[in-house]
Amino acid sequence: SQTIHQWPATLVQPVGSPLSLECTVEGTSNPNLYWYRQAAGRGLQLLFYSVGIGQISSEVPQNLSASRPQDRQFILSSKKLLLSDSGFYLCAWSVQVLGTDTQYFGPGTRLTVL
Amino acid sequence: DAKTTQPPSMDCAEGRAANLPCNHSTISGNEYVYWYRQIHSQGPQYIIHGLKNNETNEMASLIITEDRKSSTLILPHATLRDTAVYYCIVSGAGSYQLTFGKGTKLSVIP
Repeated sequence: SQTIHQWPATLVQPVGSPLSLECTVEGTSNPNLYWYRQAAGRGLQLLFYSVGIGQISSEVPQNLSASRPQDRQFILSSKKLLLSDSGFYLCAWSVQVLGTDTQYFGPGTRLTVL
Repeated sequence: DAKTTQPPSMDCAEGRAANLPCNHSTISGNEYVYWYRQIHSQGPQYIIHGLKNNETNEMASLIITEDRKSSTLILPHATLRDTAVYYCIVSGAGSYQLTFGKGTKLSVIP
């Protein structure tokens, strides 16, 4: 069966510091991968998605970036964090089957920028 | 993606069926109805999805009206662990973004 891992689970970082969040998927090949952010009391916002190694699409312009160095690894980064980057970051994966592309989410990383 | 409308909150007695409605009157012919839930401080959990036929799995049943303008998620025997926010989402094949609205906060009461 497929599993998705995210780490760290929680993170407290000062403003201006760098960020690296990692997501890995097991048990599937060539998945689509996604990064979402959920701000406190708000819905999920898609940040990036990737359909293959080195292929990244950005949905929202911001000071975050994403990379996919391996088939089942997705990394979210920032060079300098802002207060507004605080939130719950979720990674998801999907594989298209019979016309549907169901996304499965990881446990998330709760980021607090102080 | 088409928009969905859900009641903001619902209560359900433990052991009874929970019926969560969703309106999606602008759904397109190739769009699926997905249901997810999010328990506090966890990632969203996929529950079920369907196109036009009713669907059932180990977690829930999905009833879609014939005109596909609305659907109902049924949890047959709600437990306290089913307390969560439930999201109804409409999405077509090839659409990478799932648009999560505010969902329905289901409270299962002992």
